[in-house]
Amino acid sequence: EVQLVESGGGLVQPGGSLRLSCEASGFTFSTYSMNWFRQAPGKGLEWVSYISVSSTRIYYADSVKGRFTISRDDAKNSLYLQMNSLRAEDTAVYFCARCPGSYSFDYWGQGTLVTVSS
Amino acid sequence: QSALTQPPSASGSPGQSVTISCTGTSSDVGGYNYVSWYQQYPGKAPKFMIYEVSKRPSGVPDRFSGSKSGNTASLTVSGLQAEDEADYYCSSYAGSNNFVVFGGGTKLTVL
Repeated sequence: EVQLVESGGGLVQPGGSLRLSCEASGFTFSTYSMNWFRQAPGKGLEWVSYISVSSTRIYYADSVKGRFTISRDDAKNSLYLQMNSLRAEDTAVYFCARCPGSYSFDYWGQGTLVTVSS
Repeated sequence: QSALTQPPSASGSPGQSVTISCTGTSSDVGGYNYVSWYQQYPGKAPKFMIYEVSKRPSGVPDRFSGSKSGNTASLTVSGLQAEDEADYYCSSYAGSNNFVVFGGGTKLTVL
């Protein structure tokens, strides 16, 4: 069974940093591209970042470019999102999701809440 | 403001059909056959429902179907059931600069 479990969310002050993790199981993690998404309270889904197999291609949404860094550790079956210079508008539930191709996302984690507030 | 435009709400009675639209531009929906749809219950993770405009992943009922005409994609739910009441989001590939964009979501109510 494919499972994605996010962790690392919490309350952080504006300007602070957090590192999110997404632990994968039930599939060969190294053979899939992965993504981070977020959903602000009461709002819609927003794509945040993409990382390809072997980390050869990485993309970011303009809203996080220069502040967030996506990475993966295939030996640990894990995906990461380092978030720096956090702003109030970064407050959201952050989801990781697997990309099987066709720019679609077939399995999602349950999400981890990031709250940026003083 | 979302890149793709969806109606905020849609509704239908059990057994009826409802169609949700997703309007973009020639740079996203109209330019690629990479439209996907996701179902989301409150407080839950999105569920993968449709990919490449009209293909259904295994396990998704054939009551759910997708289509596209020009810059507008559509999700049709036939034979509405109470369990179909959820939020639905469309997404589309938008090129290497924007990668993937989403609609604002449509709340489907089964009357």
